[in-house]
Amino acid sequence: AQRVTQPEKLLSVFKGAPVELKCNYSYSGSPELFWYVQYSRQRLQLLLRHISRESIKGFTADLNKGETSFHLKKPFAQEEDSAMYYCALSDTMGQNFVFGPGTRLSVLP
Amino acid sequence: GAVVSQHPSWVICKSGTSVKIECRSLDFQATTMFWYRQFPKQSLMLMATSNEGSKATYEQGVEKDKFLINHASLTLSTLTVTSAHPEDSSFYICSADLPRAAYNEQFFGPGTRLTVL
Repeated sequence: AQRVTQPEKLLSVFKGAPVELKCNYSYSGSPELFWYVQYSRQRLQLLLRHISRESIKGFTADLNKGETSFHLKKPFAQEEDSAMYYCALSDTMGQNFVFGPGTRLSVLP
Repeated sequence: GAVVSQHPSWVICKSGTSVKIECRSLDFQATTMFWYRQFPKQSLMLMATSNEGSKATYEQGVEKDKFLINHASLTLSTLTVTSAHPEDSSFYICSADLPRAAYNEQFFGPGTRLTVL
């Protein structure tokens, strides 16, 4: 069955510290992986997608098919990074989304 | 964890007909629900914010008369695509807001694939 897991519900780090938000998935096929971010009481925004291999706001994520993971990383966390982060996958047509439960990142001063 | 369901999961309709999609929060009450649309190979696009007991707030460029949203109860929001046309064919996802002490948590439905012939 298609599934996305984010083992950490809450993650707190200090400003300037590295941060890694974990995401694992199970999917029969080759999914597209995404990270979405939702800042406090704002709309959901796309942060990055694995096929574009880009870095947004200093965040990167590498798809590891062997470990079925798509962890989100940033070397130096900033206070403005505090938000809810959702990992998601879709099929190759960009449909049939499955979202993870989300991780709340809190960056402390 | 909180569960959000959508019905139907897949619907095919003829051009000119109307289609209703339901979004339900199964084990919690959601005063706010969101409707998203997914175009192939693109990101989710927020269409509207559905507030229980009041009118929905539509995003710029979304036709409110075409995409009718009704949030009649704390566990149900409906999206009706009126006079559907082939260009309305898409994948529609809803999410429900669960307020926490310091932030809101969203739970997503599995989506509804609409195909208009």
